[in-house]
Amino acid sequence: DADVTQTPRNRITKTGKRIMLECSQTKGHDRMYWYRQDPGLGLQLIYYSFDVKDINKGEISDGYSVSRQAQAKFSLSLESAIPNQTALYFCATSDQSGGSYNEQFFGPGTRLTVL
Amino acid sequence: QKEVEQNSGPLSVPEGAIASLNCTYSDRGSQSFFWYRQYSGKSPELIMFIYSNGDKEDGRFTAQLNKASQYVSLLIRDSQPSDSATYLCAVKGVGNTGKLIFGQGTTLQVKP
Repeated sequence: DADVTQTPRNRITKTGKRIMLECSQTKGHDRMYWYRQDPGLGLQLIYYSFDVKDINKGEISDGYSVSRQAQAKFSLSLESAIPNQTALYFCATSDQSGGSYNEQFFGPGTRLTVL
Repeated sequence: QKEVEQNSGPLSVPEGAIASLNCTYSDRGSQSFFWYRQYSGKSPELIMFIYSNGDKEDGRFTAQLNKASQYVSLLIRDSQPSDSATYLCAVKGVGNTGKLIFGQGTTLQVKP
C-alpha cells in the first residue's frame, strides 16, 4: 500500500463550489505539506503543518484553508473554487529529525479542474 | 529574482551522453539541496540530496554543490530514454522548518 495517499485523484467542479482534498499517510511523519503545481511553475507551497496544533501558511495560501485532523490526516479546502485554482495538487510528508537532511515524500497528486 | 532558478528547457541529449542540469539559489544561508525527478503526471521522487560543497555520486548521478557561487547541479551519465522527465531542484533554508523551495524544473529529453 502507498505510504501517502490522496483522494480524490481527479476532480472536476464548478466555480463557487466548495471542495476538499484529503491526504493520509502511514509513514508516521509529523510534518505534512500541501503544494500546487502549474505547468512551468514548479511546486508552490500552500500550507504546512508540523503537528496537529501547528498550521502555517505557505507562499500561496489565499483562497485555501486546511485542517489537520490527526497526525496522519491533512485536508485542503477550497471554500469557493475559481478557475485559476485548476492545477495538480500534491500532499507531502517529512519527519522532524534535525539536521540538514529532510526528504519530503509525495502523494500521487490530485488533478483539480474548476470550470 | 526567484529564490530557486532553473532553466525550464527542454534539454535534449542523445542516449549515452552526459546530461547537465543546473540550479541557482538566492538565500546564502540555505543548508540542503535536493534533486527530484518527476515523470509527466506523476509525483516527484527524490534522486539525490547534498549539503556539503563538492561532489556526491550515486550510480549514474552526481550532484555538485558550490555554496560560494550559490549553485547546484546534477549530472546524469550514460543518459537513457527512461531518464526523460522533469528534474526539480529544491532548497532547504536555515533552521529546522522542513520547508523546501522548489525551482520550476528542467525538462530533459533523452533521444535514442
